[in-house]
Amino acid sequence: DIVLTQSPGTLSLSPGERATLSCRASQSVRNNYVAWYQQKPGQAPRVLIYDASSRAPGIPARFSGSGSGTDFALTISRLEPEDFAVYYCQQSGTSLYTFGQGTKLEI
Amino acid sequence: EGQLVESGGDLVQPGGSLRLSCAASGFTFSNFWLNWVRQAPGKGLEWVANINQDGSLKFYVDSVKGRFTISRDNAKNSLYLQMNSLRAEDTAVYYCGRWNFALDMWGQGTMVTVSS
Repeated sequence: DIVLTQSPGTLSLSPGERATLSCRASQSVRNNYVAWYQQKPGQAPRVLIYDASSRAPGIPARFSGSGSGTDFALTISRLEPEDFAVYYCQQSGTSLYTFGQGTKLEI
Repeated sequence: EGQLVESGGDLVQPGGSLRLSCAASGFTFSNFWLNWVRQAPGKGLEWVANINQDGSLKFYVDSVKGRFTISRDNAKNSLYLQMNSLRAEDTAVYYCGRWNFALDMWGQGTMVTVSS
C-alpha cells in the first residue's frame, strides 16, 4: 500500500499569509492521482484538488495543487478566515486508496 | 446537485454485526464508483472500501478484509456496508462517498460505536 506522509502536522499562520502543505508518498503515485480535501469540525470533508493540480468545481482560485511522482503540495495563496481547517491528501493510484494523516491549519 | 444519506450506525458489542446503508438521490447512481471512508473520534480519515458501477469489483483496506462486505443496489440507489466481527478499533463515523475523479460528494456520516 502507498503510505502518504503529510507535513507539517500543524501549521500556524495568519489571514493574508501564504500556506504550503506537503504530502509525500512512499512510492510514485500512478498518473499523479492525488486529491486534497478540507475538513472543518463536525463536517464531512470536501474536495479541493484532484489529479494533483486540477481545482474542483466551485473552489476558489487561491487554492492550487502541484507536484508529481512522490511529492505533492497544496498552496493557499492568501489565507481567508474560513480556510483554517484540517487538510488531507489522498492517493488513488492503486486499487487500495489511502489518505495522509492530515495537516491542521490554525490561526 | 444530489446527496448521500447514511444510516444504520449504532452501539454494538465486540464481535457483533451491523449493516450501514447509504441512500443516494439527485444523480445517476449507477454511473459511479462508490466508497466508504471512516474517521475514528479525533483522528484522521481512513478509506475503507469501494465498489464499481455494477458491483463486480470491490476493494478493501487490509484491516477489514474478510469482516466487511460492500455492496450496492442500483435499482434502489443504495450502497451498503455489512460489518461483521466488529472490534473496538472499528469505532468511527462512517461516510459514504461518490467517486468522480475524487470523492466529490459525501454523506453526513453515521456513528458506529463498538463497546461492551
